[in-house]
This record gives sequence, structure tokens and C-alpha cells, in this order.
Amino acid sequence: DGGITQSPKYLFRKEGQNVTLSCEQNLNHDAMYWYRQDPGQGLRLIYYSQIVNDFQKGDIAEGYSVSREKKESFPLTVTSAQKNPTAFYLCASSISPPGSLRGYNEQFFGPGTRLTVL
Amino acid sequence: KQEVTQIPAALSVPEGENLVLNCSFTDSAIYNLQWFRQDPGKGLTSLLLIQSSQREQTSGRLNASLDKSSGRSTLYIAASQPGDSATYLCAGFSSGSARQLTFGSGTQLTVLP
Repeated sequence: DGGITQSPKYLFRKEGQNVTLSCEQNLNHDAMYWYRQDPGQGLRLIYYSQIVNDFQKGDIAEGYSVSREKKESFPLTVTSAQKNPTAFYLCASSISPPGSLRGYNEQFFGPGTRLTVL
Repeated sequence: KQEVTQIPAALSVPEGENLVLNCSFTDSAIYNLQWFRQDPGKGLTSLLLIQSSQREQTSGRLNASLDKSSGRSTLYIAASQPGDSATYLCAGFSSGSARQLTFGSGTQLTVLP
């Protein structure tokens, strides 16, 4: 089955601890994204990557870091600098990045990781 | 900067009713608009994508339209069913400097049996 997987489904973090959320896709998509969702709010973009070894900050990148060493993988690290990390984190991918010659394509989402700070 | 608004925040309808969900956006230079469904505690499922050159898209009982001049998109659901109960989100992609999807906060739909 082609799709996007995220792990773990639930994650608990202690104060001052860094944690890493996994996102893997086997859709052969170029672009990958990380969003944060808070209760009753829309999704906000944290980081996105258009191609391997390249990534750009979104609206709320402070306290987060990413890497894109492989096309299939786009892990997100929530650092201790993120003051309010409790949220639902969603990873997405699309065939080609926004603004590319192939135009904008649909974004497809993983099942999410719920992060709670203890 | 693009802003996307969805009103109402919640809606309850009896089963079998046809309904319309609304989405408005501030930047008429919107390039594409995508509608999603989200079940509680789950990720987003893409329902329909309307490209800039299109005015509407249909999939089964769903029809989405895009009117860039008025800054509005609507999602029409025909013959609603209890299984349609979920939160529906719209998201717009502007061809301006942002180059990212901007999401509305969603409409939580409950279809009563």
C-alpha cells in the first residue's frame, strides 16, 4: 500500500527534552511538509522540503528542526526551545512542490502524532 | 497574507439533507483550493482539489466550487449520511510570496440519524 506513515502515534515529552517525530512516505513524492494543529484551529506550517537536502521554514519554525537526507523521510525534532509543544502533528507530501513547473498538486496526509508535554 | 475563514464552526443536520459548507479567502490570487475531511484524532483525507483554471470538481455526492472573484469556495454534500460526520477543512494555495497552503479552522459537521 502506498501512503504516509507517522510514528509514534502518541508521544510524551518531559520538560527540557528533545523528541523526534518520524514521517515516511512511499509515494515517490518530491515535497514533504510538517504541520501543527491545535484544538479548534486550522493547521499551521512548521517546515517544508521541496527536495532532498533542502528545507524551508514555515510560519512557526521556532523551536523545531528538520532534516531531509532521503526522499522518503522527513523527521521533525521538537526541541526544548519550543515552549508550548503540546499539539497534534501532521506530516504531508505532494508530488511536486508549490510553484514548480508541474504546478501545484494535492497534499496527502499521514495519520498524525499527538505530542503531550508532561 | 492569505487568510481562510470557515463559517459556521459547527453544523448539525438530519440525515438525508443536502448541505453546503462555506469557505472564504482574502487573497483573490488564490491558485488552488483543496477540501479535506478529518475524523476525530485522525489525519486529513483529501476530498477534492480545484485547480486555478477550474470552477468546480465533483466526486460522488460531493461537489466543490471555486469563485475567485468573490473569494469563496463551497462544498456541497448531497443526501447526507451519519458517516459524513466529521470536520471539513478547506485550504488555499496562493501564487504570491507565501507559496504554502493556508488552512481554515474547519466546520464540524454532525449528521443525525
